[in-house]
Amino acid sequence: TQLLEQSPQFLSIQEGENLTVYCNSSSVFSSLQWYRQEPGEGPVLLVTVVTGGEVKKLKRLTFQFGDARKDSSLHITAAQPGDTGLYLCAGDNTNAGKSTFGDGTTLTVKP
Amino acid sequence: DAGITQSPRYKITETGRQVTLMCHQTWSHSYMFWYRQDLGHGLRLIYYSAAADITDKGEVPDGYVVSRSKTENFPLTLESATRSQTSVYFCASSSVQDSPLHFGNGTRLTVT
Repeated sequence: TQLLEQSPQFLSIQEGENLTVYCNSSSVFSSLQWYRQEPGEGPVLLVTVVTGGEVKKLKRLTFQFGDARKDSSLHITAAQPGDTGLYLCAGDNTNAGKSTFGDGTTLTVKP
Repeated sequence: DAGITQSPRYKITETGRQVTLMCHQTWSHSYMFWYRQDLGHGLRLIYYSAAADITDKGEVPDGYVVSRSKTENFPLTLESATRSQTSVYFCASSSVQDSPLHFGNGTRLTVT
């Protein structure tokens, strides 16, 4: 079983602060997704990264895939209360047909 | 509206009873998945299906049964519910192998 470890598990910050969430594994993934989940809803895809070293930006969110495709990070600049939620990373292996999820990082941004 | 729909949203059942959670998608996606989400365990895969009449076990399949007679439906049955199956269950679909998942809004199941 391939494991994805996310850190930190919980993060509580003030509006305007920056933060980084990490997703690490000893396994290589063909692609990695980041999802955001709000209470009472299912996870919603934020981004997919597929190339080692790839960096993608989505407004104030920056996603990076490690060179060896074993790890990823999510950086949020100037966090806002609307960023509050559970952030999940998920890794895919070619032809595996299913994703492996990390346990998630619960982010709370206080106004 | 197109999308993935789970029913019911909430269900309370007693230990030993059979309960079926429904999942319906309108995208004609080939792949469908059932996950359970528990505090401290994230999302764990129960069963998945690559196409109609094809199903495979995931990480935690014991106590669950699935079927996929039609592409758009993927029901999950707990044949004899146990308290340890109290959880939030999410159905998801994807168009092709290893593509991002589209999730339903979940079913919160409580087994008393």
